[in-house]
Amino acid sequence: AQTVTQSQPEMSVQEAETVTLSCTYDTSENNYYLFWYKQPPSRQMILVIRQEAYKQQNATENRFSVNFQKAAKSFSLKISDSQLGDTAMYFCAFCTSGTYKYIFGTGTRLKVLA
Amino acid sequence: GAVVSQHPSWVICKSGTSVKIECRSLDFQATTMFWYRQFPKQSLMLMATSNEGSKATYEQGVEKDKFLINHASLTLSTLTVTSAHPEDSSFYICSARDRTRGYGYTFGSGTRLTVV
Repeated sequence: AQTVTQSQPEMSVQEAETVTLSCTYDTSENNYYLFWYKQPPSRQMILVIRQEAYKQQNATENRFSVNFQKAAKSFSLKISDSQLGDTAMYFCAFCTSGTYKYIFGTGTRLKVLA
Repeated sequence: GAVVSQHPSWVICKSGTSVKIECRSLDFQATTMFWYRQFPKQSLMLMATSNEGSKATYEQGVEKDKFLINHASLTLSTLTVTSAHPEDSSFYICSARDRTRGYGYTFGSGTRLTVV
């Protein structure tokens, strides 16, 4: 069975600092996609970043970047220059090519401190 | 960008009544719609997957007769909670797949259902 594990239930970071959220997954598939979604207090799910497993280059989106280690099945999210608006629940998600279904991790609650 | 409009955002209903939740894709065709349930401080649990014009596929343990899903058009999917009971109180979220955009799906804003 495919699983996604986020081992950090809660984290905090000072404004302007950098924080890394961890995610590991388990699969026997070779073609898949990985995502980080943000869920602020409004509970709207917002796509932060995505990574295709066949791409070796780590994805980046402005202040957000990932460290994708395929062999280790690790997919961490780095947030640079943290802002108060980054305070949210962050979910790591996995999707195999063809099934279209997401498998979500349990989430990491991030609080950015002023 | 892609937008999914979900209504209502919150609803309170009496036990035994039915509630319908709508999700509309505003600027794209939602070939597949996913319905999730989220309990407080927990992750999203996939309830069912629906493809336009087809019957929904339910995840194990989800009662298909209680949670009726209709995906009659490429822009509209509905979830009806039938004969709702207090244990059905939860946050329900839809997400839509646009096959032209790949695997980053768009989520609705969610519906908080309270059954009293």
